[in-house]
Amino acid sequence: AQSVTQLDSHVSVSEGTPVLLRCNYSSSYSPSLFWYVQHPNKGLQLLLKYTSAATLVKGINGFEAEFKKSETSFHLTKPSAHMSDAAEYFCVVSDLRGNKLVFGAGTILRVKS
Amino acid sequence: GAGVSQSPSNKVTEKGKDVELRCDPISGHTALYWYRQRLGQGLEFLIYFQGNSAPDKSGLPSDRFSAERTGESVSTLTIQRTQQEDSAVYLCASSLRVQETQYFGPGTRLLVL
Repeated sequence: AQSVTQLDSHVSVSEGTPVLLRCNYSSSYSPSLFWYVQHPNKGLQLLLKYTSAATLVKGINGFEAEFKKSETSFHLTKPSAHMSDAAEYFCVVSDLRGNKLVFGAGTILRVKS
Repeated sequence: GAGVSQSPSNKVTEKGKDVELRCDPISGHTALYWYRQRLGQGLEFLIYFQGNSAPDKSGLPSDRFSAERTGESVSTLTIQRTQQEDSAVYLCASSLRVQETQYFGPGTRLLVL
């Protein structure tokens, strides 16, 4: 069965410094992978998705993620954090038929001024 | 157009009572999904509907949980004889078709006392 592991439950960065949120996946097939963001009291929003095209995926708000099959990783990065990036981020893999999403436990990103 | 909407936004109930949660998907979306998010955890898949096909109920945690969908519109998730462990945020998502990007509603926060 497919699964994702988010390696950090909390990440704290200073405004203007790089962001790295780590995710490893387990899948017996070539997966579709996603990053979703959840701001306090708001719904989940899709940041980006990988579906076996380019391995470097660009998303909204300056985020990007790189699919590395050899490392089974899909880490999320951003060159420069903004205060508005403070939120919870979920790494997600879809099942074989793409019907169900399997979520990681989430990483809470804190941005310090 | 409007996004996925859910009602109520919050629900407090007593143990043993039945509750009904509603989801209005994005117009034209044929696939609809229910997830549950317990405090401090990622989302768990519950059930999904695709057009007129039989729903995939593989994620429902017990027979106290059931869901219906009328055609390609509104869905209701019913929890009978609620228990305290049912307390969670229940999220609905819809997609144009299965395997397409899922768009999430704001969720219903359920508290069972």
